[in-house]
Amino acid sequence: EAGVVQSPRYKIIEKKQPVAFWCNPISGHNTLYWYLQNLGQGPELLIRYENEEAVDDSQLPKDRFSAERLKGVDSTLKIQPAELGDSAVYLCASSRVGGGEQFFGPGTRLTVL
Amino acid sequence: GEDVEQSLFLSVREGDSSVINCTYTDSSSTYLYWYKQEPGAGLQLLTYIFSNMDMKQDQRLTVLLNKKDKHLSLRIADTQTGDSAIYFCAEIGGATNKLIFGTGTLLAVQP
Repeated sequence: EAGVVQSPRYKIIEKKQPVAFWCNPISGHNTLYWYLQNLGQGPELLIRYENEEAVDDSQLPKDRFSAERLKGVDSTLKIQPAELGDSAVYLCASSRVGGGEQFFGPGTRLTVL
Repeated sequence: GEDVEQSLFLSVREGDSSVINCTYTDSSSTYLYWYKQEPGAGLQLLTYIFSNMDMKQDQRLTVLLNKKDKHLSLRIADTQTGDSAIYFCAEIGGATNKLIFGTGTLLAVQP
């Protein structure tokens, strides 16, 4: 069974540019999570989806961040415009149900210059 | 709010036992987890313990939970160089159903 797939693995952009990250969860997993992991820190939840519905986006900076999971499978996280402080690893995870064991992808390491 | 704290670094010799400690504040935590993160990789769930248990053993891993002191530990017996990684404890509380991670402990295993 394939794990959580994320792309790209690495992204370098200049500040004020837009960027998008893509996640494909494990087949059959209804719950999808996006986390932000700053250097030397643990992951922090940005948004959680149950199927196509965002059920917890309280930590998502909505002025520049957006996410979608239109068909309840793949998800995209976008930043527009990116700032220097957005440099971090963006992790995607999925679970069969909300609150169940979460399986993490390898992450996208974003560097904003 | 919910907070999870860990020591930053632990160095052990190969073959010794490692003990990684974690404290948390949310008294309504239902499950507590230990994740391992190797360089450039995502987080891998190692083990978890339900809040009404005080110990769980899984091969070389032993988890101890002191609910009164809100203290969680992970003991790795016969530590190997392949155990070198960052270890995160995390808790999920009944109120938010959100996974809250600690800052991670870097375990360095010396051959």
